[in-house]
Amino acid sequence: AAGVIQSPRHLIKEKRETATLKCYPIPRHDTVYWYQQGPGQDPQFLISFYEKMQSDKGSIPDRFSAQQFSDYHSELNMSSLELGDSALYFCASSLDLHRDGGEDGYTFGSGTRLTVV
Amino acid sequence: AQSVTQLDSQVPVFEEAPVELRCNYSSSVSVYLFWYVQYPNQGLQLLLKYLSGSTLVESINGFEAEFNKSQTSFHLRKPSVHISDTAEYFCAVSPLTGGGNKLTFGTGTQLKVEL
Repeated sequence: AAGVIQSPRHLIKEKRETATLKCYPIPRHDTVYWYQQGPGQDPQFLISFYEKMQSDKGSIPDRFSAQQFSDYHSELNMSSLELGDSALYFCASSLDLHRDGGEDGYTFGSGTRLTVV
Repeated sequence: AQSVTQLDSQVPVFEEAPVELRCNYSSSVSVYLFWYVQYPNQGLQLLLKYLSGSTLVESINGFEAEFNKSQTSFHLRKPSVHISDTAEYFCAVSPLTGGGNKLTFGTGTQLKVEL
């Protein structure tokens, strides 16, 4: 079965550079979520999109932005990178839990490991 | 807002022994509950979930979790662990109403299965 695809798997950037992470959700899933997992930490919610509109926002820095495109893929843009941005970035997709009773739960991608040097 | 507490950061256990990983949550609204497993340098894999119905849910690899509303708990159990179960386990919740479906995770429990 198709899973959530994230690219790239690994990314190394220098401080103050810009990075773009991509996420391709499971077909027919209408909601995409982004999470950040720092070293040895639990994943923290950043932002989500439902039907291409931002649906919720968490602890996402102003230097970060995201959007969902007409084909439902999503991109997380990160500018003025800092050393503390080094983390594993996960994308997840689901059908809307509230509308569809949550039968499809969340499915996570394998993540993009961003290293800022 | 929701919060999740995983009381044990590390749980060492011998192979074939039973294990319980504890999870308690706090929420002003009803929640969906999830357990995710993360193997080293890999992503999060859904282990099992409670959405409604029977409070005891099972995974295909022998794990089970029971939702206890009065104790706001969703502990994960396995009667006999295998070396391959060594991983980080995260408990997570998502509110039924409002909250935009985002998951709130606990800090994780490192399960280390030893021979």
